[in-house]
Amino acid sequence: DSGVTQTPKHLITATGQRVTLRCSPRSGDLSVYWYQQSLDQGLQFLIQYYNGEERAKGNILERFSAQQFPDLHSELNLSSLELGDSALYFCASSPPAGTEAFFGQGTRLTVV
Amino acid sequence: QKEVEQDPGPLSVPEGAIVSLNCTYSNSAFQYFMWYRQYSRKGPELLMYTYSSGNKEDGRFTAQVDKSSKYISLFIRDSQPSDSATYLCAPREGSQGNLIFGKGTKLSVKP
Repeated sequence: DSGVTQTPKHLITATGQRVTLRCSPRSGDLSVYWYQQSLDQGLQFLIQYYNGEERAKGNILERFSAQQFPDLHSELNLSSLELGDSALYFCASSPPAGTEAFFGQGTRLTVV
Repeated sequence: QKEVEQDPGPLSVPEGAIVSLNCTYSNSAFQYFMWYRQYSRKGPELLMYTYSSGNKEDGRFTAQVDKSSKYISLFIRDSQPSDSATYLCAPREGSQGNLIFGKGTKLSVKP
């Protein structure tokens, strides 16, 4: 158990809908990263937050947004969902003075 | 050229073999080099990381980085069936930078 908690584990929704994925980082970790893993693309970096502030942005679509709250949990919002958004979504967290990044078990999103 | 290239395999070896897994990268600003193991699309599990060039050993695992050739390796000694998984290399620029993943190499260790 990495200590990073993601909910829900599985999500099935229809095209055009909006979903919210939640991540609770390890205790004391200030950085949260979101990644998307689809079958043919590998793990793609979406966005990073550090202590509530956006730190870096990767290949995140405009239909996707994220935020990190004062209690350091983070949410990834996916809207106007398309079939191609079906993927595993992982979050990871890092301690403020460390290099390690620990991943949660992911949310498997299926868009039908 | 992708930032991180990794042979997807699959790689099949007999139990007890020495396994060599490799990545190449293009960004010379990468300083930290992480290796993750992922079972059946579960969350990636951090195996070890190195800073800059050099070797690092942890039990049966040895990570090696050659920054001059932008080449990263992970060696597994005395491989076990439980090592069967996908191995992902993930360099990053700073200690808090985002990880750039290779596509992963699928390893199968046969009893």
